[in-house]
Amino acid sequence: NAGVTQTPKFQVLKTGQSMTLQCAQDMNHEYMSWYRQDPGMGLRLIHYSVGAGITDQGEVPNGYNVSRSTTEDFPLRLLSAAPSQTSVYFCASTPRGGGGANVLTFGAGSRLTVL
Amino acid sequence: AQSVAQPEDQVNVAEGNPLTVKCTYSVSGNPYLFWYVQYPNRGLQFLLKYITGDNLVKGSYGFEAEFNKSQTSFHLKKPSALVSDSALYFCAVRDEGNTPLVFGKGTRLSVIA
Repeated sequence: NAGVTQTPKFQVLKTGQSMTLQCAQDMNHEYMSWYRQDPGMGLRLIHYSVGAGITDQGEVPNGYNVSRSTTEDFPLRLLSAAPSQTSVYFCASTPRGGGGANVLTFGAGSRLTVL
Repeated sequence: AQSVAQPEDQVNVAEGNPLTVKCTYSVSGNPYLFWYVQYPNRGLQFLLKYITGDNLVKGSYGFEAEFNKSQTSFHLKKPSALVSDSALYFCAVRDEGNTPLVFGKGTRLSVIA
């Protein structure tokens, strides 16, 4: 089925380790974004991209890197994981046209625990 | 910068009763408002949105939302709650243009049989 695919679904890391959360969409959406969800905090935007080769920071970008080499993929990298990065991560995408009315399509989420 | 407030962490309602989940927003221009629902261990699903026009917006699963510009509110409503409506509900807003969507902290709805 068409949509947003995130891998892995679950991951446990030790402090200081690095890893990449993968996000891929097959809807030809120009806009992609990463959010983290924490209890009582809602969803907070980490990074987003309006097209291949273009990325920008959201509300909580520290400790995370992103790149957008293709329209389909938007990986999120943790270079040196910290316990504060324990969270559920969601990737979302939308077409760029249509102005503010576009609806985000979310992936199923990736649950990360940093020990 | 835009922001969203969901003043209730938890809403409890009896099955068959009407439900309301509250949301207020702040934007500099005209708002684009959204409601999403999250069932346990799932991603977020789109329920409905307000762009312009009629202040009462109808969405999926019998939900509707009322846009009130003077009160800067966009409350989610349903005339008769179902146990299966129990979930986490998020209100979100973006300003004009395709700026990033800003979410509220979420309200957990519990419908009791």
